[in-house]
Amino acid sequence: DGGITQSPKYLFRKEGQNVTLSCEQNLNHDAMYWYRQDPGQGLRLIYYSQIVNDFQKGDIAEGYSVSREKKESFPLTVTSAQKNPTAFYLCASNSGTGSSYEQYFGPGTRLTVT
Amino acid sequence: AQSVAQPEDQVNVAEGNPLTVKCTYSVSGNPYLFWYVQYPNRGLQFLLKYITGDNLVKGSYGFEAEFNKSQTSFHLKKPSALVSDSALYFCAVRLLTGGGNKLTFGTGTQLKVEL
Repeated sequence: DGGITQSPKYLFRKEGQNVTLSCEQNLNHDAMYWYRQDPGQGLRLIYYSQIVNDFQKGDIAEGYSVSREKKESFPLTVTSAQKNPTAFYLCASNSGTGSSYEQYFGPGTRLTVT
Repeated sequence: AQSVAQPEDQVNVAEGNPLTVKCTYSVSGNPYLFWYVQYPNRGLQFLLKYITGDNLVKGSYGFEAEFNKSQTSFHLKKPSALVSDSALYFCAVRLLTGGGNKLTFGTGTQLKVEL
């Protein structure tokens, strides 16, 4: 899982509550990403950031928000507007330059909303 | 739009036999192609990538993949499977130009290696 940490590993929330998932990297990477993983659907991109103080919506951004105030941190907030928030959330990063375009992933956070 | 397809939800193979996990891609430009592996309740681990050059790419844990431009495929292979190779495998594609650094992932193939 490299130098990317996600906390907590498991998270439980009641419906209607906002929740923030943490993602920190010590790889000095410029770009960071949030994915959602559901069984049989692979990974879907929620938000990504290629530089501090800038981020873009991915394919399924509705009901989520992010911030990128520091290079090493890219927290994801799952809001009450997200209709089906229960999922496995993965954070990733890459250098954004050169030939190392592979992304490095954190261990994930499993969110359960009831 | 770019996409990748993994046509098999599950692949079963006996330990010691060769394994192949299939991936085909669809992009309008030249692709960067990647394979990742995921163990239960863990993040994805990078296995190998094709950027340019030799069509046969070697990666971690004895895995290799063959880029075939005419068939738009990038199948993952290993000459002799191990039980410990049992995991979920993802193929991904990035456009060489104009795609930023975003990857598009396939839906995954569950590999089961049995004794």
